[in-house]
Amino acid sequence: DTGVSQDPRHKITKRGQNVTFRCDPISEHNRLYWYRQTLGQGPEFLTYFQNEAQLEKSRLLSDRFSAERPKGSFSTLEIQRTEQGDSAMYLCASLSLAQASYEQYFGPGTRLTVT
Amino acid sequence: GDSVTQMEGPVTLSEEAFLTINCTYTATGYPSLFWYVQYPGEGLQLLLKATKADDKGSNKGFEATYRKETTSFHLEKGSVQVSDSAVYFCALSEGYGGATNKLIFGTGTLLAVQP
Repeated sequence: DTGVSQDPRHKITKRGQNVTFRCDPISEHNRLYWYRQTLGQGPEFLTYFQNEAQLEKSRLLSDRFSAERPKGSFSTLEIQRTEQGDSAMYLCASLSLAQASYEQYFGPGTRLTVT
Repeated sequence: GDSVTQMEGPVTLSEEAFLTINCTYTATGYPSLFWYVQYPGEGLQLLLKATKADDKGSNKGFEATYRKETTSFHLEKGSVQVSDSAVYFCALSEGYGGATNKLIFGTGTLLAVQP
């Protein structure tokens, strides 16, 4: 069990560019969550997957955001036409429904800065 | 919708002082409650949790009791150390398998412990 990993850890991009982040969950964790955390705030839920199915999207997830988990393992989060308001820490977490605790394990996050 | 309110920081204490960080919640069902900690430069880590009323979660000298009658989950520690300096987040989630289990976080409380 190597934990949840995210790549890249930091991303600086210019406004209008597209960016893609990757999350590798703990092996065999069937649920994967994306959160966004802005400075001085708690993380906010964006979306989650159960295996490869995307089951819920927050209204925070505008049309410029898309997430995939094509084989039920790693996931990608893409932001098109980035805006300065997209600058935040993007967190990924995974969970195993086989564990009665339903505990989420978080990755280190990807910090996005849009200039 | 469900929400979490926690006391604003920063909280500044001297080493060995008693710590309380207040957290109250609003939920329509029977959520699980969590305290997460974020040390400087690190990712979110689960500190403790409680899954039903009157449960007490504890870890590393920290404690919190799930109080359904007051909808509270206050974090306490009898004697803080400099190494406890971090941001603490209270969170809730629906705790059963059929739910999304997404986490709803408070805004976080910065704790600074001085030697």
